[in-house]
Amino acid sequence: RKEVEQDPGPFNVPEGATVAFNCTYSNSASQSFFWYRQDCRKEPKLLMSVYSSGNEDGRFTAQLNRASQYISLLIRDSKLSDSATYLCVVSPGDYGQNFVFGPGTRLSVLP
Amino acid sequence: EADIYQTPRYLVIGTGKKITLECSQTMGHDKMYWYQQDPGMELHLIHYSYGVNSTEKGDLSSESTVSRIRTEHFPLTLESARPSHTSQYLCASSQGGGLFFGSGTQLSVL
Repeated sequence: RKEVEQDPGPFNVPEGATVAFNCTYSNSASQSFFWYRQDCRKEPKLLMSVYSSGNEDGRFTAQLNRASQYISLLIRDSKLSDSATYLCVVSPGDYGQNFVFGPGTRLSVLP
Repeated sequence: EADIYQTPRYLVIGTGKKITLECSQTMGHDKMYWYQQDPGMELHLIHYSYGVNSTEKGDLSSESTVSRIRTEHFPLTLESARPSHTSQYLCASSQGGGLFFGSGTQLSVL
């Protein structure tokens, strides 16, 4: 079983739709959680950090459930420009441990 | 916007050549990383460093080597490039928060 798993995708949604991505992680000692977006043949870019209290940035909402070891990302009113691969990233937080990337979920927003 | 730079952006080179991919960051981050990624595939960690004179191999076995003589600079070297090294190489840095990536080097070995 992979340390970080995500919805397999791809997700094909119409413009304006609400889409939710799910991510689970297996290391209960994990401390930091992030969502990245990666466009085709580009570098991953930090979309948002994820906190236990949940956090929102415009149309994007991220939630963390430590008890279930589950992270989610909700995109409301999706735009064509949201089309990308979304990566769930977990860090155990100890000095000497590294970031673990999920395989990514590809989103295509269709006109 | 993160200040981490990679050069060259694209490199096409013949088999057997020695190459160095450059990565520099101006944020003073202690931690730096090299990832390898093929199109449509996952990122694989090949090297990392937690500070000057510290380098470690990552999860994916790689024939490349790295050095960290200065905080801001983390070059990756392939002594003898082969077609199997064709891939995108992404450098990243971190300081307690998330990872910030450079734009990557797309390497093609003929």
